[in-house]
Amino acid sequence: QKEVEQDPGPLSVPEGAIVSLNCTYSNSAFQYFMWYRQYSRKGPELLMYTYSSGNKEDGRFTAQVDKSSKYISLFIRDSQPSDSATYLCAMRAPYGNNRLAFGKGNQVVVIP
Amino acid sequence: DAGVIQSPRHEVTEMGQEVTLRCKPISGHNSLFWYRQTMMRGLELLIYFNNNVPIDDSGMPEDRFSAKMPNASFSTLKIQPSEPRDSAVYFCASSLLALGETQYFGPGTRLLVL
Repeated sequence: QKEVEQDPGPLSVPEGAIVSLNCTYSNSAFQYFMWYRQYSRKGPELLMYTYSSGNKEDGRFTAQVDKSSKYISLFIRDSQPSDSATYLCAMRAPYGNNRLAFGKGNQVVVIP
Repeated sequence: DAGVIQSPRHEVTEMGQEVTLRCKPISGHNSLFWYRQTMMRGLELLIYFNNNVPIDDSGMPEDRFSAKMPNASFSTLKIQPSEPRDSAVYFCASSLLALGETQYFGPGTRLLVL
């Protein structure tokens, strides 16, 4: 079983819709959870960062972490064409090294 | 502050040739990571350094791959000899070696081996 599972299927939504993305993981030691956004032909950039369980909101973006279910989510409200990108989840444990475990990424296309 | 700098941005080479990718991390960062990204396998960690010392190279696919970090501001990833299956986008990322710190990625080098 991979450490982080993210269904890589592409997602197309109309402008203004809510986008819902999620990842599951197997390592219960993970405590830091991130979402990266990657535009075409660019490097991933940090979008959201949460520690342990709970919700975090930043503008139109909400990140949720449910450690009991080993499940994290990213919601994008009022999606815009500029949100079209690949979204990768990433997580790490609080000990030892600062290696990140990444999901494979979801390609999101917001249609005007 | 300039972000992570990678060069070249694009590289096209023939099978069997040596390829050297370069990375300059963000000033002050003391962890550096090399990743490879393909459609099939996603983002894979190849190797990372803490304070210029290689910590985990278990992701390096074969002996054809080697990485060095001679100082805090420079790292190289070398492939010798290159093969068509090495074609991918190679990213360098850096971070502070501190609990809770995350990684900042460079723009990547797009490698095509013919």
